Amino acid sequence: EAGVAQSPRYKIIEKRQSVAFWCNPISGHATLYWYQQILGQGPKLLIQFQNNGVVDDSQLPKDRFSAERLKGVDSTLKIQPAKLEDSAVYLCASSLVQGRDGYTFGSGTRLTVV
Amino acid sequence: AQSVTQPDIHITVSEGASLELRCNYSYGATPYLFWYVQSPGQGLQLLLKYFSGDTLVQGIKGFEAEFKRSQSSFNLRKPSVHWSDAAEYFCAVVRTGGGNKLTFGTGTQLKVEL
Repeated sequence: EAGVAQSPRYKIIEKRQSVAFWCNPISGHATLYWYQQILGQGPKLLIQFQNNGVVDDSQLPKDRFSAERLKGVDSTLKIQPAKLEDSAVYLCASSLVQGRDGYTFGSGTRLTVV
Repeated sequence: AQSVTQPDIHITVSEGASLELRCNYSYGATPYLFWYVQSPGQGLQLLLKYFSGDTLVQGIKGFEAEFKRSQSSFNLRKPSVHWSDAAEYFCAVVRTGGGNKLTFGTGTQLKVEL
């Protein structure tokens, strides 16, 4: 089966600019997650979708981050405006059944804010 | 709050030597437990998982992990390390009945000396 697809792989922007990341999960996976991984740290959950509804966005900085999954399939994560501390790898993951089967991760988008 | 502790930030072993990476979690109930590996520039790959039953679980690439309820631990082991095992290893948990959020430890960076 095809894995979780993410694009772009790399992005460099200046602070205060906006950026968007795209994720296409494994076919049939109802649950989709966006994680932020800062260098030297473990991934941190930003937002979790079940189909096209938000399950958990408690750690999403809503003043600058937004995410959507309009048709319950692919998803976009946006940052506007970006700050230096947003430099990180943004990982998308999906799962068939919440929790038990582990998540399948994409290769991530490495964002550098200068 | 749930937490996952990986006490060793860096570990260096010689090729062919045995390996044990430590993981402790803080919960009242037994969560779902996972180990992931991340090679440089890559996404996270699931090595193994534990839900219930036999406390010794086998994973891919010759890895195994043992769940010890009395110690709240889920240590990862490999009898003989290969140079290609050099990577970062993350322990992660899902709190059962708690929204199925996957929470990661801070990771252990493994270096293999030839």
